[in-house]
Amino acid sequence: GAGVSQSPSNKVTEKGKDVELRCDPISGHTALYWYRQSLGQGLEFLIYFQGNSAPDKSGLPSDRFSAERTGGSVSTLTIQRTQQEDSAVYLCASSLQGGANEKLFFGSGTQLSVL
Amino acid sequence: DQQVKQNSPSLSVQEGRISILNCDYTNSMFDYFLWYKKYPAEGPTFLISISSIKDKNEDGRFTVFLNKSAKHLSLHIVPSQPGDSAVYFCSSLGAGGTSYGKLTFGQGTILTVHP
Repeated sequence: GAGVSQSPSNKVTEKGKDVELRCDPISGHTALYWYRQSLGQGLEFLIYFQGNSAPDKSGLPSDRFSAERTGGSVSTLTIQRTQQEDSAVYLCASSLQGGANEKLFFGSGTQLSVL
Repeated sequence: DQQVKQNSPSLSVQEGRISILNCDYTNSMFDYFLWYKKYPAEGPTFLISISSIKDKNEDGRFTVFLNKSAKHLSLHIVPSQPGDSAVYFCSSLGAGGTSYGKLTFGQGTILTVHP
C-alpha cells in the first residue's frame, strides 16, 4: 500500500487479556517506530526498529509490552495481561532509513480500550 | 517529566487571521524541532521543521520560529483556513545524541478555524 497500515483500527478487550497490534510500514522503509497517545497526553515513544540492528526498547512501559519485526517489514506489538491504563491510541510510523532528521510517516493508529 | 510542553490545549481563530501555536522545551540538548498535524481518525503528518542553527523556517502559510535562549518555538499560520483545523503536535529531536528519529512530543493543541 501507499501508506503505513495498522490493524485493527479499534480493539476492545477485557482486563487481563493479551492483544496483538499489527503495523505494515511503507514499502522500502527500513525504520519502524511505535508510539502511543493516552488521553490528554502527547505521543509517547515505545520502540524503534532499524534493519537488523537490535531494537531500541527504551520506551516500553513494562515487561508486559513486547514487539517484533519479522523480515524487516511487518511489526507486531503485543501487550500481555492488559490493564486499563494501557487504553490509548497506538501509532506506528516508518521512515526511509531512520535518519535523525527524516520525517516519520504515521499510520492511522489502533484505538485500544481495556475494560 | 514533560520535556516538551504545549500549554494551550486549544486555540480558536477566525478564518483569514493568524494562528500562533506555542511550544516550550526544557532540554537544551534538543537540536531539531518538528511540527506534526493530526486530523481525527488519522495519523499525524509532518508539517514543518527547524534546526537549532536557525531561528526561522518558512513554508508557504506556515512559519516556525525558534528562540533557543528561551527554549521556545512557535508555529504561525497565516492566513488561517478552516482546513487547518486539526491537532498540532510540537516535537523535538536530539537529546541524548540519538542518531535516529526518536521524537519527544508535546501534548498537542487543538486548532479550530471558524469560517
